[in-house]
Amino acid sequence: NAGVTQTPKFQVLKTGQSMTLQCAQDMNHEYMSWYRQDPGMGLRLIHYSVGAGITDQGEVPNGYNVSRSTTEDFPLRLLSAAPSQTSVYFCASRNPARTGVYEQYFGPGTRLTVT
Amino acid sequence: QQQVKQSPQSLIVQKGGISIINCAYENTAFDYFPWYQQFPGKGPALLIAIRPDVSEKKEGRFTISFNKSAKQFSLHIMDSQPGDSATYFCAASKARPGFQKLVFGTGTRLLVSP
Repeated sequence: NAGVTQTPKFQVLKTGQSMTLQCAQDMNHEYMSWYRQDPGMGLRLIHYSVGAGITDQGEVPNGYNVSRSTTEDFPLRLLSAAPSQTSVYFCASRNPARTGVYEQYFGPGTRLTVT
Repeated sequence: QQQVKQSPQSLIVQKGGISIINCAYENTAFDYFPWYQQFPGKGPALLIAIRPDVSEKKEGRFTISFNKSAKQFSLHIMDSQPGDSATYFCAASKARPGFQKLVFGTGTRLLVSP
């Protein structure tokens, strides 16, 4: 199993450009999430999905869109990039917790710089 | 109510020493407390986790201590090794059916000196 994969690994955008960060998982997990990681702020939830066709907002959703057409893929779209979106983005997946304990699997991250 | 406060921000420990990282939470509905370990250039990975029905959980050199009344939990790394040098995140969520959002602390960068 490849686990959670993300592409690209690095990206530089100009302000106003749009792009899609790709995320895929091969573990047949129901839940997928996008986080951003900024220095001194930990990981913050952007959007999440509980299954194909079902998405919802997290803590910091503004400026981002998601869709989930398949169980495996969960792309994150930046509509009009802003310098404030410079960050490291992590995709994660897991299955529903059966006993209240769960392991969330993270991808290797995409480092995005917006100039 | 959703915050998880983590300290210290950074920590330097000599090889063989004990590393201690502390977290405090506000939301009494939280009942699942994992710790994640992240190496440079990698995604976080689950290290160890605890539910509030126990006060301590140990896995190898890693121990979580949990104090429900104080709403605090901590990670202890015994016999710290240079390979433990990483960033550690505490987190908390509710253990309920459905998607429960994981709230992360701000991270602790641990350096274990040889």
